[in-house]
Amino acid sequence: AQKITQTQPGMFVQEKEAVTLDCTYDTSDPSYGLFWYKQPSSGEMIFLIYQGSYDQQNATEGRYSLNFQKARKSANLVISASQLGDSAMYFCAMRAYNNNDMRFGAGTRLTVKP
Amino acid sequence: SQTIHQWPATLVQPVGSPLSLECTVEGTSNPNLYWYRQAAGRGLQLLFYSVGIGQISSEVPQNLSASRPQDRQFILSSKKLLLSDSGFYLCAWGNLEGSPLHFGNGTRLTVT
Repeated sequence: AQKITQTQPGMFVQEKEAVTLDCTYDTSDPSYGLFWYKQPSSGEMIFLIYQGSYDQQNATEGRYSLNFQKARKSANLVISASQLGDSAMYFCAMRAYNNNDMRFGAGTRLTVKP
Repeated sequence: SQTIHQWPATLVQPVGSPLSLECTVEGTSNPNLYWYRQAAGRGLQLLFYSVGIGQISSEVPQNLSASRPQDRQFILSSKKLLLSDSGFYLCAWGNLEGSPLHFGNGTRLTVT
């Protein structure tokens, strides 16, 4: 069974600084994808970034990057130059390629301070 | 382009009443479809997913059911709601391996 763990219920960061949101996962599947979503107070789920288990390089999308350490089964999200609009819930998720479901972690609430 | 529609946006229902939430997808064919529930301030719990018409996988035993009468239509139902059914329900679609799920705007259900 797949399991996603986000150990930080809440995080604070000063505007313009970088922040790392932790995510570890557990799976026996050899091929899988890791995803991060942002959920603002409106409730919509916004896809941010994807990392494939066989990707050699860490994924980057603008101010978002994924620190993927396969041996440690971690996929931490790094947000650089935080903005006030980054305040939201952030969810890590995983989907095995031989499976159709996507599992989510409990989430981390990020608050950006001015 | 693909779009996903989910309605209603909010719903207040008494305990014991039936439920029907509908989700439709446009611009893609044979998508995988999903229902998730999110309790207040919590993560997403997978309820059901479907890989095709009439094919439903249930993740959590409960008084909810799902149906897929058409390729791009996914319905979440209950015959008798419980207080514990309150939450934020999200429909999503996806297809290719490695591609993200795309979510609807959600339905906030309050059972009173």
